[in-house]
Amino acid sequence: GAGVSQTPSNKVTEKGKYVELRCDPISGHTALYWYRQSLGQGPEFLIYFQGTGAADDSGLPNDRFFAVRPEGSVSTLKIQRTERGDSAVYLCASSQSNTGELFFGEGSRLTVL
Amino acid sequence: AQKITQTQPGMFVQEKEAVTLDCTYDTSDPSYGLFWYKQPSSGEMIFLIYQGSYDQQNATEGRYSLNFQKARKSANLVISASQLGDSAMYFCAMREGHAGGGNKLTFGTGTQLKVEL
Repeated sequence: GAGVSQTPSNKVTEKGKYVELRCDPISGHTALYWYRQSLGQGPEFLIYFQGTGAADDSGLPNDRFFAVRPEGSVSTLKIQRTERGDSAVYLCASSQSNTGELFFGEGSRLTVL
Repeated sequence: AQKITQTQPGMFVQEKEAVTLDCTYDTSDPSYGLFWYKQPSSGEMIFLIYQGSYDQQNATEGRYSLNFQKARKSANLVISASQLGDSAMYFCAMREGHAGGGNKLTFGTGTQLKVEL
């Protein structure tokens, strides 16, 4: 499809497990963003990539969270030793440039039991 | 202090009527951008409209307009001629600083809009 694709759409895991969430941006979009949306809240910024490098990772809550974008396209958000408080919808967005409009995916819903 | 405040958790509007969704913001940066997004039940965030802090005119996009009152730090979204498909959650968001640093957005808590027949 032409939009931002996120997999899995739903992930249920147990406390302490490792999780990877994948984002496939719109082709040609150089900027990629990860946001987290908890129930009843607006999205919260996690990290922003321009190309392969993380231009701003100030929103990552702690060192259990890490994200990569090795070839400047697909990105993976990695969460180690998951906690129940990590349960949320993780949204990915991409834009044509660092000033462009953000196009969001439908999110990956993570539930930590 | 909250950077983005949306005081209306829920709003109802009759089909074909206009509705205003409130948003106030707080920043000391002279350069910023204000955004509105729509989030239907599918979860995808859909961009609606953008206003830059230096823009002289209020932004408009089809049935959407942004009532930008800089001195009051408000950026209300006006939807004209509401349609049933407008029923969704609406988020106001702000980027502080010039966009050259990326569109890192701070979002409000949203307003759930329900359009009724």
